[in-house]
Amino acid sequence: DVKVTQSSRYLVKRTGEKVFLECVQDMDHENMFWYRQDPGLGLRLIYFSYDVKMKEKGDIPEGYSVSREKKERFSLILESASTNQTSMYLCASRTGREKLFFGSGTQLSVL
Amino acid sequence: EDQVTQSPEALRLQEGESSSLNCSYTVSGLRGLFWYRQDPGKGPEFLFTLYSAGEEKEKERLKATLTKKESFLHITAPKPEDSATYLCAVLPGSNYQLIWGAGTKLIIKP
Repeated sequence: DVKVTQSSRYLVKRTGEKVFLECVQDMDHENMFWYRQDPGLGLRLIYFSYDVKMKEKGDIPEGYSVSREKKERFSLILESASTNQTSMYLCASRTGREKLFFGSGTQLSVL
Repeated sequence: EDQVTQSPEALRLQEGESSSLNCSYTVSGLRGLFWYRQDPGKGPEFLFTLYSAGEEKEKERLKATLTKKESFLHITAPKPEDSATYLCAVLPGSNYQLIWGAGTKLIIKP
């Protein structure tokens, strides 16, 4: 069974902290994505990666960075967490332009 | 500007009461339209992909249809376990990234 695993389901951090969200997929997919999901809004793309060590900005990259050192792992980094980054973070992967496979999400609260 | 709008925002039905969810889109070219289901506290789960006007896909009580301006997700005789948020996303011809609607929250009461 295909799987995208996000390291934490719930995370509580303080403003100014550096936050790491980890995502691992076991499907050998080239493309990996980080979205955030807020009530009443569609999923918004933060960053994506189409290959190891490659990354592209999405629609809302400000305040975030990413790392992809291995094909199966894609990390999202909040350099200095702020309260407006409180959100549900979803990792996804796919091959080509086919359907996305999502992880279960990380609900991040920044206090 | 490429845009995807889902309606209604929320829909409450009695068990067995059939209805439809709407996803209207304005994009420059359409490579595909995707429907996902999302349960509370979980990531979206893929349901269907539609590629061209007139296409239809079915899965259990769900049927997705596509025209040049919108897609419908028809739900026939729903059960409480069909309660979820249904998300629509469009892959435009102009780039490789999906444009998402805000979703329809469907509640089926027993």
